[in-house]
Amino acid sequence: AAGVIQSPRHLIKEKRETATLKCYPIPRHDTVYWYQQGPGQDPQFLISFYEKMQSDKGSIPDRFSAQQFSDYHSELNMSSLELGDSALYFCASSSGLAGGGGEQFFGPGTRLTVL
Amino acid sequence: AQKVTQAQTEISVVEKEDVTLDCVYETRDTTYYLFWYKQPPSGELVFLIRRNSFDEQNEISGRYSWNFQKSTSSFNFTITASQVVDSAVYFCALSEALIEDSGAGSYQLTFGKGTKLSVIP
Repeated sequence: AAGVIQSPRHLIKEKRETATLKCYPIPRHDTVYWYQQGPGQDPQFLISFYEKMQSDKGSIPDRFSAQQFSDYHSELNMSSLELGDSALYFCASSSGLAGGGGEQFFGPGTRLTVL
Repeated sequence: AQKVTQAQTEISVVEKEDVTLDCVYETRDTTYYLFWYKQPPSGELVFLIRRNSFDEQNEISGRYSWNFQKSTSSFNFTITASQVVDSAVYFCALSEALIEDSGAGSYQLTFGKGTKLSVIP
């Protein structure tokens, strides 16, 4: 079965650079979530989109922005990178409100290292 | 605000022992969902189970079982006859429905801090 695809899987950037992470949800899933997991930490919710509209916002820095495109893939744009942005970034998709509970299927994550 | 507490930071067991991972949650909603995820050393998050707040039946899936008790706001996870491959960090998570006026919805997950399980051969 198709899973959530994230690219790139690994990314190394310098401080103050920008980065773009991409997420391709499971086909027919209309909701995308982004989470950030720092070393030894639990995943923290950043932002979500439902039917290409932002549906919720968590602890996402102002330096970050995201959007969901017409084909439902999503991109997380990160600017002025800081050392503290080094983390594993997960994308998850679900079938929105249908079925309740929004069971989220996670991608393999993008490991971002900021030097 | 919703909160998930996993009091056990790390647990070590010898292979074939049973182990229970504790999870206590806080929420003001009457409708919510509870999850368990497994994160092996490779880093991916593997979905294990989802339970909604109206379903208090315990569930067994192979060596895994879950005990949901609304009265104590707990959703504990037991692994029977543990194996080395069970070594991982296990996260308990909670989601509440957030429906905006626009109709857009979100079920953002709030995770506990995780319990690192080490199964020793």
